[in-house]
Amino acid sequence: AQSVTQLGSHVSVSEGALVLLRCNYSSSVPPYLFWYVQYPNQGLQLLLKYTTGATLVKGINGFEAEFKKSETSFHLTKPSAHMSDAAEYFCAVSDSAGNNRKLIWGLGTSLAVNP
Amino acid sequence: EPEVTQTPSHQVTQMGQEVILRCVPISNHLYFYWYRQILGQKVEFLVSFYNNEISEKSEIFDDQFSVERPDGSNFTLKIRSTKLEDSAMYFCASRGQLSVYEQYFGPGTRLTVT
Repeated sequence: AQSVTQLGSHVSVSEGALVLLRCNYSSSVPPYLFWYVQYPNQGLQLLLKYTTGATLVKGINGFEAEFKKSETSFHLTKPSAHMSDAAEYFCAVSDSAGNNRKLIWGLGTSLAVNP
Repeated sequence: EPEVTQTPSHQVTQMGQEVILRCVPISNHLYFYWYRQILGQKVEFLVSFYNNEISEKSEIFDDQFSVERPDGSNFTLKIRSTKLEDSAMYFCASRGQLSVYEQYFGPGTRLTVT
């Protein structure tokens, strides 16, 4: 069975500071990994994904994440936080076998950006 | 840009009543999903649907739940007799044959059971 652990339910950074949101996964098959963002009162928007190939993936709004198989991690980073980055961030995994591709989610990390 | 739409945005119902949550997936997509998010908890998979049948369902998706694609465009989730614990945000998602990795999500329906 697959699972996702997001360390830190709340992260607070200053505007301009580095953003680091942690995600570890468990999967018995090669995983597909995703980060989604949810702004207040809105739906889930895909930030970036890792499927195969390059382990450092770039997404929208300056975010990137690195797949580290040895550490079973897929941490999300952004060099310089902006006030508009304040949102809920979810890490998710789906398996690469079969066609279903349901997403298994972490609990989410709420990011606050202070001026 | 095509998007997934969901109606209503907010539904309030009394315990024991039936509710139908509606979704219009992206038009050429073939895989459809329902997820829910109880306030303060993680997003949970409910059911996936492909080729006019359920392809997988979670333990949450019991006999009180059903899904249907009645007319080739809508994708509905029905809860026959709602319980207080069904109060949650319900998200519909769809995926195309070619976009094998990415699910596109609707804005969600907030269901409140009183």
